[in-house]
Amino acid sequence: AQSVTQLDSQVPVFEEAPVELRCNYSSSVSVYLFWYVQYPNQGLQLLLKYLSGSTLVKGINGFEAEFNKSQTSFHLRKPSVHISDTAEYFCAVISTDSWGKLQFGAGTQVVVTP
Amino acid sequence: EAGVAQSPRYKIIEKRQSVAFWCNPISGHATLYWYQQILGQGPKLLIQFQNNGVVDDSQLPKDRFSAERLKGVDSTLKIQPAKLEDSAVYLCASSLDPRERNTEAFFGQGTRLTVV
Repeated sequence: AQSVTQLDSQVPVFEEAPVELRCNYSSSVSVYLFWYVQYPNQGLQLLLKYLSGSTLVKGINGFEAEFNKSQTSFHLRKPSVHISDTAEYFCAVISTDSWGKLQFGAGTQVVVTP
Repeated sequence: EAGVAQSPRYKIIEKRQSVAFWCNPISGHATLYWYQQILGQGPKLLIQFQNNGVVDDSQLPKDRFSAERLKGVDSTLKIQPAKLEDSAVYLCASSLDPRERNTEAFFGQGTRLTVV
């Protein structure tokens, strides 16, 4: 079984400031890691994913994440946020012994203010 | 390419009534998922289909929830009778073969259910 913990339920940030969203996971087998974004009244959109290879992953809208196996973390970062980045962000894992089943964290609400 | 279509977008029902949600996945996607997202929580998988067969329904409350995907394309999720705690957003997603690790799941906009 695996679990995902997002350490911050809400992150307020000023426009053009950097943001980091923290995600830790636990699993007895290898996992694939994902970050999704959910805008109000919308479905989920994939930001980026880590499957293998380079531990620094770049995604859409200027986001990037770094996989740290020893710390079982997959933190999401953006160097300069925009008002339009206000949304809920979900970290998720798929264990390599499951059949595509996404296990989500509870989410982090990012609120960007001018 | 058309995305995952869901209907209705919103539904309000009284407890003990029944309700059904419909999902049409992306054309050619063999795998279809139904997730339940309760306010303040991450989505939780209810059921996963591969074509018209069930891969995982371990989290589906089978005494009141049912789902089908008869022709391996669109799917219906039903709740009968509904309880207050069923108030949530129901998300449908689809993907190509999830055993291919580069496969991405695409999500619909969801159906927001309110049980009063």
